[in-house]
Amino acid sequence: DTAVSQTPKYLVTQMGNDKSIKCEQNLGHDTMYWYKQDSKKFLKIMFSYNNKELIINETVPNRFSPKSPDKAHLNLHINSLELGDSAVYFCASTPTGFGANVLTFGAGSRLTVL
Amino acid sequence: TQLLEQSPQFLSIQEGENLTVYCNSSSVFSSLQWYRQEPGEGPVLLVTVVTGGEVKKLKRLTFQFGDARKDSSLHITAAQPGDTGLYLCAASYSSASKIIFGSGTRLSIRP
Repeated sequence: DTAVSQTPKYLVTQMGNDKSIKCEQNLGHDTMYWYKQDSKKFLKIMFSYNNKELIINETVPNRFSPKSPDKAHLNLHINSLELGDSAVYFCASTPTGFGANVLTFGAGSRLTVL
Repeated sequence: TQLLEQSPQFLSIQEGENLTVYCNSSSVFSSLQWYRQEPGEGPVLLVTVVTGGEVKKLKRLTFQFGDARKDSSLHITAAQPGDTGLYLCAASYSSASKIIFGSGTRLSIRP
């Protein structure tokens, strides 16, 4: 059983299109995250949700809209895609209390904008 | 802005050699983690350190947390090709703050 699963794994699309990435965790964690990893492998936090509530929004453009229908799911919708959005997007989760700083990551969704 | 500086950025060594990777900040961490990432996968936790001066060992890997909790190191003894990967340090500055990552060290071990 995959602990944090995200789909799709690969996305290739044209500039200007809208796309979504879905994430689900079966660990019972309360907090979920989206990270962006650029071509230089730098991982930058984008958003964090705790029990469906947005708690971190790292000055990400408004074209990025996260949605958390319940604490096990965190989706990312991107409008009007730009070339610079090409990256690998990672979903992650952490528990509350003991281990709260330990991230469990999904396998990543590689987005290529042409 | 809180930053984690990781060095070196790239490291290519021969099998059997030893190496050390460093992670530094000007701020005090509440905890620090080391992750390893392989191509096409997400980072996977290696260790968490919490107490200043703490040393943890994981087989040939030794992790050290600085006394002032501003720096950490990862030492690999007798590196093997299977150690190849991207090593990332991550830290938070309080239990409620975001978790940020260092820039990563790409390690390549030549047989």
